[in-house]
Amino acid sequence: GAVVSQHPSWVICKSGTSVKIECRSLDFQATTMFWYRQFPKQSLMLMATSNEGSKATYEQGVEKDKFLINHASLTLSTLTVTSAHPEDSSFYICSAREEGGLDTEAFFGQGTRLTVV
Amino acid sequence: GQNIDQPTEMTATEGAIVQINCTYQTSGFNGLFWYQQHAGEAPTFLSYNVLDGLEEKGRFSSFLSRSKGYSYLLLKELQMKDSASYLCAVKGFTGTNAGKSTFGDGTTLTVKP
Repeated sequence: GAVVSQHPSWVICKSGTSVKIECRSLDFQATTMFWYRQFPKQSLMLMATSNEGSKATYEQGVEKDKFLINHASLTLSTLTVTSAHPEDSSFYICSAREEGGLDTEAFFGQGTRLTVV
Repeated sequence: GQNIDQPTEMTATEGAIVQINCTYQTSGFNGLFWYQQHAGEAPTFLSYNVLDGLEEKGRFSSFLSRSKGYSYLLLKELQMKDSASYLCAVKGFTGTNAGKSTFGDGTTLTVKP
């Protein structure tokens, strides 16, 4: 299957700093990528839909000024957690669908474990 | 909106068969996914159903009944490595849910020797 690479796999940052997470589709072009957050023992919650060349669409309750999403190319989307606080500590996962492909599975990155101290 | 229900936990014995159910109520439906997620890792794709019926793929099979809003994942010849969380996800078709997958809370399966 297609490969989605997410970097970094884990990061520890100080409260008040910003952290950038990258999501790359390695062998296909992805017009749309999705960003999820998952707290321990809970399911994936969609944060936003990242659209190449346009603004991201955020889910209700997700602060767009805090979670900045940029989708500058068909193979790269970034999520920046600004002014991170301990409550932002979570597992962040991206997924991507192949452009023009069948409306089937999304491929997930390996996830980023963010710990804010 | 989207509402997806699946059991929280299940336990089964190595070599046995287990069925994980998922019921959903959605405003639009464009397919149902099953994913496997091991602790601390991202989900991996298992199956996708958009039409009624059974899809078989090795030890894993997935069934869908659109009229009943019901799906199940069937795991045969269970192995210890099958211990994981199994996520049911429904992809929306209309409006603000178009193209987006909504996930259930997941079923934690424990396989015992």
